[in-house]
Amino acid sequence: DSGVTQTPKHLITATGQRVTLRCSPRSGDLSVYWYQQSLDQGLQFLIQYYNGEERAKGNILERFSAQQFPDLHSELNLSSLELGDSALYFCASSVGGQGALGTEAFFGQGTRLTVV
Amino acid sequence: GNSVTQMEGPVTLSEEAFLTINCTYTATGYPSLFWYVQYPGEGLQLLLKATKADDKGSNKGFEATYRKETTSFHLEKGSVQVSDSAVYFCALTSAGGSQGNLIFGKGTKLSVKP
Repeated sequence: DSGVTQTPKHLITATGQRVTLRCSPRSGDLSVYWYQQSLDQGLQFLIQYYNGEERAKGNILERFSAQQFPDLHSELNLSSLELGDSALYFCASSVGGQGALGTEAFFGQGTRLTVV
Repeated sequence: GNSVTQMEGPVTLSEEAFLTINCTYTATGYPSLFWYVQYPGEGLQLLLKATKADDKGSNKGFEATYRKETTSFHLEKGSVQVSDSAVYFCALTSAGGSQGNLIFGKGTKLSVKP
């Protein structure tokens, strides 16, 4: 158990809908990262938050957004869903933020999103 | 931009065989390099890492050496077990970047037969 909790584990929804994925980081970790894992694109970094503020952005679509709350949990919002958004979405957390070498990132078990 | 290339799978080996999974990278500066493992139905786990040239990361019998001259970080294990069956990802984070902001290779699926 990595200590990172993601809910829900599975989500099935229709095209055009909006969903929210939730992540609770390990106790004491200030950074949260979101990744998308799909068969064609592999594992892609989406976005990082550090202590409530956006720290780094990767290949995140404009239809997607995220935030980190004062209690450090994070939510990833996916809207106007398309079939191609079907993927496994991982959250990871670490103690530090940018430049924090030597601090490992711990991954949750992921949320499997299926868009039908 | 930064990128990671690892050998395509799947790789199928017999128990106790020698394993090599090749990984090369393109990056500016001095990235940190990682191998992550994903067991079926689970999230990624850090297997080993190296943060500077010539460092050797090792864990659970796996090893990888950070070779700056060949921009490589090949994963090796002398004798694989059935329990090593998983998908292995090579990854890097840019110099000065967070260890959670990772660029991954496409993954190599390893199957070990008894």
